[in-house]
Amino acid sequence: QVQLHESGPGLAKPSQTLSLTCNVSGGSISGGDYYWSWIRQTPGKGLEWIGYIYFTGTTFYNPSLKSRVSISVDTSKNQFSLKLSSVSVADTAVYFCVRDGNGHWFDPWGQGILVTVSS
Amino acid sequence: DIQMTQSPSSLSASVGDRVTITCRASQSISKYLTWYQHTPGKAPRLLIYTTSILRSGVPSRFSGSGSGTDFTLTISSLQPEDFATYYCQQSYSSPRTFGQGTRLEVK
Repeated sequence: QVQLHESGPGLAKPSQTLSLTCNVSGGSISGGDYYWSWIRQTPGKGLEWIGYIYFTGTTFYNPSLKSRVSISVDTSKNQFSLKLSSVSVADTAVYFCVRDGNGHWFDPWGQGILVTVSS
Repeated sequence: DIQMTQSPSSLSASVGDRVTITCRASQSISKYLTWYQHTPGKAPRLLIYTTSILRSGVPSRFSGSGSGTDFTLTISSLQPEDFATYYCQQSYSSPRTFGQGTRLEVK
């Protein structure tokens, strides 16, 4: 079965770029049947969908974050990545990577990784 | 963006109880409503999609109903492993948005 696992620094400084990677096992990102998304959970705004990528590199982002977000894919490593620039305390959150059922449901989810933005 | 509002925000119940959680959308989302379960320390879990379709492997005590703006998740007989937080999510329009969650606690 497909499993996802997030990795990256748990701490970022204000104004810097947050970078996370999601490793996918048990299935191929290049299979073409799914999108691959990032979602975050903050105390203030709850769960927020950030954006998705298709194995071809096509992306689609939440307009609220679009100016700061970049999602990329490395099919040779079966992983996809998130970059969020100009972070502030408001970006402190648990970040989840998920398999995206073509715009409808998210399944499965990674365990999530807490990223704290602090100087 | 479509706003999703869940009620109640928290709920106390006992094993064996029948529980219903409501999710209301700020505009019609047709049947495009999904439910998730999140237990602390675990990855969130897909329960139901397209309002009422049970994900494979999810116990039949879970059911979903509704259409348009009003939806419900029902657990027919609570089991100990069901105490968790439940979220609804719409996929009618982008960006997909979530409810704020309903925390189901032991009475």
